[in-house]
Amino acid sequence: SQKIEQNSEALNIQEGKTATLTCNYTNYSPAYLQWYRQDPGRGPVFLLLIRENEKEKRKERLKVTFDTTLKQSLFHITASQPADSATYLCAQGGNTPLVFGKGTRLSVIA
Amino acid sequence: DTAVSQTPKYLVTQMGNDKSIKCEQNLGHDTMYWYKQDSKKFLKIMFSYNNKELIINETVPNRFSPKSPDKAHLNLHINSLELGDSAVYFCASSQVLRGSSGANVLTFGAGSRLTVL
Repeated sequence: SQKIEQNSEALNIQEGKTATLTCNYTNYSPAYLQWYRQDPGRGPVFLLLIRENEKEKRKERLKVTFDTTLKQSLFHITASQPADSATYLCAQGGNTPLVFGKGTRLSVIA
Repeated sequence: DTAVSQTPKYLVTQMGNDKSIKCEQNLGHDTMYWYKQDSKKFLKIMFSYNNKELIINETVPNRFSPKSPDKAHLNLHINSLELGDSAVYFCASSQVLRGSSGANVLTFGAGSRLTVL
């Protein structure tokens, strides 16, 4: 069955640097990949969606890529700030219930 | 106004009890979901419910039963609670993202933390 894997449980980064989070999938290429942010004690919040036929998507300091050859999506936060500290979840799916990865906890250190 | 609201936010109960979590969305979405997030923070789909169809995840024990009185509400009832049911339960609703040709984007509630003693 299809799996979504976020191999890094935690990532620490210095303020101002670019944070790069990885999401890998097995088997077939999903039609979409989505990225969500989750803060402690809260529900996930949608950030970005990228389709299979799109290489890259941007929103302010956020950038998502989709590489069907590597079966991978990368999520970048440029000029990271302590306020970016949160858990980031990758999810695959389009019009069916989303399947989430386990998330990567990002800590941006001032 | 809260888009997806769940009650209660915290629930502590004894093994063997029956409890319910309520969820309401004011977004006009047609589809609602229940997800379970365990102690390792893994978010797993339990049910999705459209206007016309309830989709049951086969790994969910039949002690869990969703009930939808109308498309704005999806409640979760749990019978005979077990220790392993302790988790945070998230309700969500979705709509198709404009321009995405069919992709559903989820709006989550704040979660209901269930502790079974």
